[in-house]
Amino acid sequence: DIQMTQSPSSLSASVGDRVTITCRASQGISNYLAWYQQKPGKAPKLLIYEASTLQSGVPSRFSGSGSGTDFTLTISSLQPEDVATYYCQRYNNSPRTFGQGTTVEIK
Amino acid sequence: QVQLVQSGGGVVQPGKSLRLSCAASGFTFSSSGMHWVRQPPGKGLEWVAVISFDGSNTYHADSVMGRFTISRDNSKSTLYLQMNSLRPEDTAVYFCARGPVRWAFDVWGQGTMVSVSS
Repeated sequence: DIQMTQSPSSLSASVGDRVTITCRASQGISNYLAWYQQKPGKAPKLLIYEASTLQSGVPSRFSGSGSGTDFTLTISSLQPEDVATYYCQRYNNSPRTFGQGTTVEIK
Repeated sequence: QVQLVQSGGGVVQPGKSLRLSCAASGFTFSSSGMHWVRQPPGKGLEWVAVISFDGSNTYHADSVMGRFTISRDNSKSTLYLQMNSLRPEDTAVYFCARGPVRWAFDVWGQGTMVSVSS
């Protein structure tokens, strides 16, 4: 099975900082990559699909890039409401593996 | 509005069974593949199972294969997860999610807690 590896596992940044999270697939997955945001006690929320397409209603400070095996989620200007855990997921086929998550905190 | 409402869950002894339900509304349930995802306390997301739009194809994670069965009733717009031979390591919040073929999970249920303990 294809494994998804995220880095870092956690980060702390100041409000207004640019934040980058990476996700690497053990084999090529074209652009079948999604990013989710999960806040404590809540269901995950889809942020980005097809590696770089912003889901409707998601703030434009979120962006995604990459194709093949290497992908990036960027928050251009970190806001207090962005405190959450972020997961990547491949969906080219099953099993629809998730990365292990990246927890983002405010410094 | 588009939503998935989950029911079932609770505390169960090891080796026992439990069935989770996920009722869909606001979209054409019978046209969409559906999934179950779980999250052990304090840990990350684990994909569990998928079922095709018409129920003809299913796929389960190795960790639950032979013990869990995903199914659906399109006449009731409801997704199910039958969990047998439960183990303590199955303790988790279980989410249902809409995820058509080669599409991300754009609609999620609220989650339901399953605790396996003697």
